[in-house]
Amino acid sequence: DIQMTQSPSSLSASVGDRVTITCRASQSISNYLNWYQQKPGKAPKLLIYASSSLQSGVPSRFSGSGSGTDFTLTISSLQPEDFATYYCQQGYSSQSLTFGQGTKVEIK
Amino acid sequence: EVQLVESGGGLIQPGGSLRLSCTASEFIVSSNYMSWVRQAPGKGLEWVSVLYSNGNTYYADSVKGRFTISRDNSKNTVYLQMSSLRVEDTAVYYCARLYTNMWPYNWFDPWGQGTLVTVSS
Repeated sequence: DIQMTQSPSSLSASVGDRVTITCRASQSISNYLNWYQQKPGKAPKLLIYASSSLQSGVPSRFSGSGSGTDFTLTISSLQPEDFATYYCQQGYSSQSLTFGQGTKVEIK
Repeated sequence: EVQLVESGGGLIQPGGSLRLSCTASEFIVSSNYMSWVRQAPGKGLEWVSVLYSNGNTYYADSVKGRFTISRDNSKNTVYLQMSSLRVEDTAVYYCARLYTNMWPYNWFDPWGQGTLVTVSS
């Protein structure tokens, strides 16, 4: 199975900060990488698909990049509603669709 | 509105069985790829199973041989039959469509609201 490793596991940031979350795959997954946001008690919500494509309705302060094994989710200017946990997920292996362990973004 | 609604969660003793249901609105389950993802209390997301439109099914190693994913086309519903349940299966179970507009690109959208399964004596 393809392992997905996110870093950091958590971070503290202030409103207006630029935030970067990294996701690394255990083998090359081309750009079959998606990002989700989850708030407490809620289902995950798709933010980015195919590494860099913004889901409809998602603010443009969110962006994704990367290919192969290394990927990044960037929030250009953190807003109060962005405090949540973020997960990456690989879609390369259609028989085993794995998630990263999550990155919790907290208020500093 | 495209949406998924899960049901069937509850408290079950170790070794018991439970069936979860996921009913879709505004899209046809049999023409799409459907999946289950779970989240243990305070933990991250864990993919559980996927059912492709051609009928192929795949499972995480942690549930293989104990869980079965299926669908009822007449009810536009996907199921997760869980047996030989263990304490470590305790989680919120989410149903999600594995969407694609150009295979092999795929992603989970939408998600249901989740249903809690608690395995405890």
